[in-house]
Amino acid sequence: QKEVEQNSGPLSVPEGAIASLNCTYSDRVSQSFFWYRQYSGKSPELIMSIYSNGDKEDGRFTAQLNKASQYVSLLIRDSQPSDSATYLCAVGGTGNQFYFGTGTSLTVIP
Amino acid sequence: SQTIHQWPATLVQPVGSPLSLECTVEGTSNPNLYWYRQAAGRGLQLLFYSVGIGQISSEVPQNLSASRPQDRQFILSSKKLLLSDSGFYLCASLRGRTEAFFGQGTRLTVV
Repeated sequence: QKEVEQNSGPLSVPEGAIASLNCTYSDRVSQSFFWYRQYSGKSPELIMSIYSNGDKEDGRFTAQLNKASQYVSLLIRDSQPSDSATYLCAVGGTGNQFYFGTGTSLTVIP
Repeated sequence: SQTIHQWPATLVQPVGSPLSLECTVEGTSNPNLYWYRQAAGRGLQLLFYSVGIGQISSEVPQNLSASRPQDRQFILSSKKLLLSDSGFYLCASLRGRTEAFFGQGTRLTVV
């Protein structure tokens, strides 16, 4: 399988701070990139998708993509306790497969 | 809107027993379908994906098999479960051709 690497954490940030999550991938031809949030015991839910180099903002979330460095990141501004979850990075393969990292556990401390 | 139904939600099976997990999709036709497994404390591992009836691609050789007997039905099976088959099994499909979304999952414990 294609490799998608994430720091497993745990990452702890105080409420209101910026949480920064990082992901690297091995397949240079990948064209689609996603961030999922997974609460304990639940299935992942899509929070951001990005396809072009640069930044994409959606509310408190910003995804950043650098294809030359094979790097994707997610910034969460004004972190809330409800953001505490595991965040999974996913990369689309050439045949509509999706490969996931192991996830980063985020805890937002009130 | 598209939805994925998976059942059962939880399952406890003895080693050596067979397995059948079913996934059905509503609200779309000819979907791409996927089976993932998430072992405790680990990421999602792609097991199988299917682009149409009878078309199955396997990502990792293992003790499992998949079938797609109907357009919106995807089945994951095993003839004899191993302890290492325990995990959270997720069926997924595509929304908007590029974004994967998931069913509620089946938590399998092999004892």
